[in-house]
Amino acid sequence: DQQVKQNSPSLSVQEGRISILNCDYTNSMFDYFLWYKKYPAEGPTFLISISSIKDKNEDGRFTVFLNKSAKHLSLHIVPSQPGDSAVYFCAANNAGNMLTFGGGTRLMVKP
Amino acid sequence: KAGVTQTPRYLIKTRGQQVTLSCSPISGHRSVSWYQQTPGQGLQFLFEYFSETQRNKGNFPGRFSGRQFSNSRSEMNVSTLELGDSALYLCASSLDLGQIYGYTFGSGTRLTVV
Repeated sequence: DQQVKQNSPSLSVQEGRISILNCDYTNSMFDYFLWYKKYPAEGPTFLISISSIKDKNEDGRFTVFLNKSAKHLSLHIVPSQPGDSAVYFCAANNAGNMLTFGGGTRLMVKP
Repeated sequence: KAGVTQTPRYLIKTRGQQVTLSCSPISGHRSVSWYQQTPGQGLQFLFEYFSETQRNKGNFPGRFSGRQFSNSRSEMNVSTLELGDSALYLCASSLDLGQIYGYTFGSGTRLTVV
């Protein structure tokens, strides 16, 4: 039973446009959510996070939105750059330092 | 400061063998967690250590074990290797339990079982 799902395995966006990556979760006990970016043969790199008491968090070109009633979060990247091309994972936390990850979305930003 | 260091980076083992992977956390970090990444299952939590004690364990068979030393370095061991154990094994460290926003991953150990 996947508690965190990223339903789009891939996304292609033109440089300069907005990239929107989506994530759904089922466990209402999750209280902290994170987005990671991953290149091949490297570990995930932390991008941005949001606590369940907020509905939006912004950091430069990256904004994460949380809709608790829908159990849905999204990552917006504006404007998208070719260097943003990577696999993006959403993750959720509710106990200790254990993260439950989604399956990832491969983002391709075309010049 | 140095990041999370995992050794070795690559490893090839034969079915039935055992393997030990090492993780050195960021200096000062006391919590170490391990994850397995496979194409089919994504990133899955293996276990978490803090103060040399296992605090959480994921849904993996007993062939997967780990430990943490007094200097916070951690090792994980997989015994009786199976082809399906081929994966990227990632270690992450953080300052303390509950310090999830400081979670930093290493580059991983790519294990291939033949």
